[in-house]
Amino acid sequence: AQSVTQLGSHVSVSEGALVLLRCNYSSSVPPYLFWYVQYPNQGLQLLLKYTSAATLVKGINDFEAEFKKSETSFHLTKPSAHMSDAAEYFCAVSDGNQGGKLIFGQGTELSVKP
Amino acid sequence: DAGVTQSPTHLIKTRGQQVTLRCSPKSGHDTVSWYQQALGQGPQFIFQYYEEEERQRGNFPDRFSGHQFPNYSSELNVNALLLGDSALYLCASSPIDSPTEQYFGPGTRLTVT
Repeated sequence: AQSVTQLGSHVSVSEGALVLLRCNYSSSVPPYLFWYVQYPNQGLQLLLKYTSAATLVKGINDFEAEFKKSETSFHLTKPSAHMSDAAEYFCAVSDGNQGGKLIFGQGTELSVKP
Repeated sequence: DAGVTQSPTHLIKTRGQQVTLRCSPKSGHDTVSWYQQALGQGPQFIFQYYEEEERQRGNFPDRFSGHQFPNYSSELNVNALLLGDSALYLCASSPIDSPTEQYFGPGTRLTVT
């Protein structure tokens, strides 16, 4: 069975500071990994995805994530936080088989202080 | 190019009633997945439809059923509503050659009173 654990339900950073959101996964097969962002009262927007190519994945809005198999981690980073980055972030895993069911973590709420 | 659309935006129902939610996939997508997102939680997979058939199902009771039409749009039906069914219901579509690349709609907020 696959699962995702997001460490920290709430993260607060200052504008311009580094953003680090942590995600650890469990999977018995090579995983496909995703980060999604959700703004209030909206659906989910795909930030980036890892599908067994390069381990460092670049996404939209200067976000990136690194797949570390030895640590079963897929942490999301951004060098400099903007006020507009305040939102809920979800890490998700899929086994990539037919169907592509996504299993989500509980989410991390990112707050950005001026 | 329209993205994934869902209707209605909000819905209030009474316990025991039945509800139907609708989803139109992104242009060029033929696979539709439904997720339930309870307040403060991550989305949970309900089921997925492809070629008008349910292809995968999550851990949800039979009260949750769905349908996919020839134009790839989909409906989610929930019977005998419980208070615990109150949630944001998200639809996601994906192309068949990349089923993990799911694009989400804005969701339908269902409140059961």
